[in-house]
Amino acid sequence: EIVLTQSPAALSLSPGERATLSCRASHSVSSSIAWYQQRAGQAPRLLIFDASNRATGIPARFSGSGSGTDFTLTITSLETEDCGVYYCQHRYTSLTFGGGTKVEIK
Amino acid sequence: QVQLQESGPGLVKPSDTLSLTCDVSGYSITIGNYWAWIRQAPGKGLEWIGSIYHSGTTYYNPSLKTRVTISVDTSKNRFSLHLSPATAADTAIYFCARTHDGSGYAFQHWGQGSLVAVSS
Repeated sequence: EIVLTQSPAALSLSPGERATLSCRASHSVSSSIAWYQQRAGQAPRLLIFDASNRATGIPARFSGSGSGTDFTLTITSLETEDCGVYYCQHRYTSLTFGGGTKVEIK
Repeated sequence: QVQLQESGPGLVKPSDTLSLTCDVSGYSITIGNYWAWIRQAPGKGLEWIGSIYHSGTTYYNPSLKTRVTISVDTSKNRFSLHLSPATAADTAIYFCARTHDGSGYAFQHWGQGSLVAVSS
């Protein structure tokens, strides 16, 4: 089973700052990584698929990169609405999600 | 636009069957894509339960495979989840979802979620 480890577990940043979220896979997943945002009390929202492709309607300040085992979600110029928990997910066997990174906006 | 809506009992007794239905509107299940169930225990992360293609081909999380059945009813444009026997560890919010066009794993469309408690 491929395990996804996300770091940091939480981060607190001010509006306008840059957020860098990491997702590391225990084995190579090629570019098959998706990223989601989940605001409190809501369903997850797809941000990125195939490591770097923005989903429909996702603002350009969200970008994804990486391949193999190391992936990054970058949010440039944070906005207050970006608070929530961010999950990565791979496509192999059990479509596992990472444990999440909680983003707080100061 | 595509909309998904979960429905089913909010309370299930241990050892009974947990059953949920996802009604799809704005898109025909027969067109394609994968249709899935994903759950989230209180205060925890996301767990993929399984997916089904409109043809009826299913894919299950190995950790749940022996207890899960996902089926599709194309005449009603809905798909369903059955989990048996249910235990307290199955208490969670259950989401139904549809994959992004051209992707077999990234979920673009989600229902609002249905909270199911397993308790006597």
